[in-house]
Amino acid sequence: RKEVEQDPGPFNVPEGATVAFNCTYSNSASQSFFWYRQDCRKEPKLLMSVYSSGNEDGRFTAQLNRASQYISLLIRDSKLSDSATYLCVVTSGGSNYKLTFGKGTLLTVNP
Amino acid sequence: DTAVSQTPKYLVTQMGNDKSIKCEQNLGHDTMYWYKQDSKKFLKIMFSYNNKELIINETVPNRFSPKSPDKAHLNLHINSLELGDSAVYFCASSPWRGGEKTQYFGPGTRLLVL
Repeated sequence: RKEVEQDPGPFNVPEGATVAFNCTYSNSASQSFFWYRQDCRKEPKLLMSVYSSGNEDGRFTAQLNRASQYISLLIRDSKLSDSATYLCVVTSGGSNYKLTFGKGTLLTVNP
Repeated sequence: DTAVSQTPKYLVTQMGNDKSIKCEQNLGHDTMYWYKQDSKKFLKIMFSYNNKELIINETVPNRFSPKSPDKAHLNLHINSLELGDSAVYFCASSPWRGGEKTQYFGPGTRLLVL
């Protein structure tokens, strides 16, 4: 089983749509969780950290379920500029500094 | 005002050559990383240094040798390049203390081995 698994995608949605990405992780010792965004031919950039209580940043909502080892990202009112690959990221094992990345889910928002 | 910079941006070379990629960060971070993103876009950590000390060393061929002359620099030297080394190599940095684990990535070096 891969350490971090994501929806394979790709997702193609119209502007204004709500889209949800799911992610599961295998290492129950993981302590920190993130969503990163990677634009085509660019570097990954942090979108948001994910907390147990759930957290929201504008149109983006992240949820964590430690019991199910499941992370989600919800994007409301999609914009064209949201088109990118979304990477689910967790810290590995006992190290809080080793990030393990999922393969990413490609989102294309269409006009 | 670049935070994490890498040189070169593109590198095209022949099999068997030796090449180096340089990385510098001006964020004052203690920890730096090298990642490899292959053709399937899978991003995987290779090495990490904290204040010039190696702390993460994944299963990477020993043709790859990281070197950290100071905590703001982490270079990657690759000997005897192989076709399978073709990928995008990202450098990243993060703070060590304070619980902040966000990693900041450089723009990547696109390596093509012919």
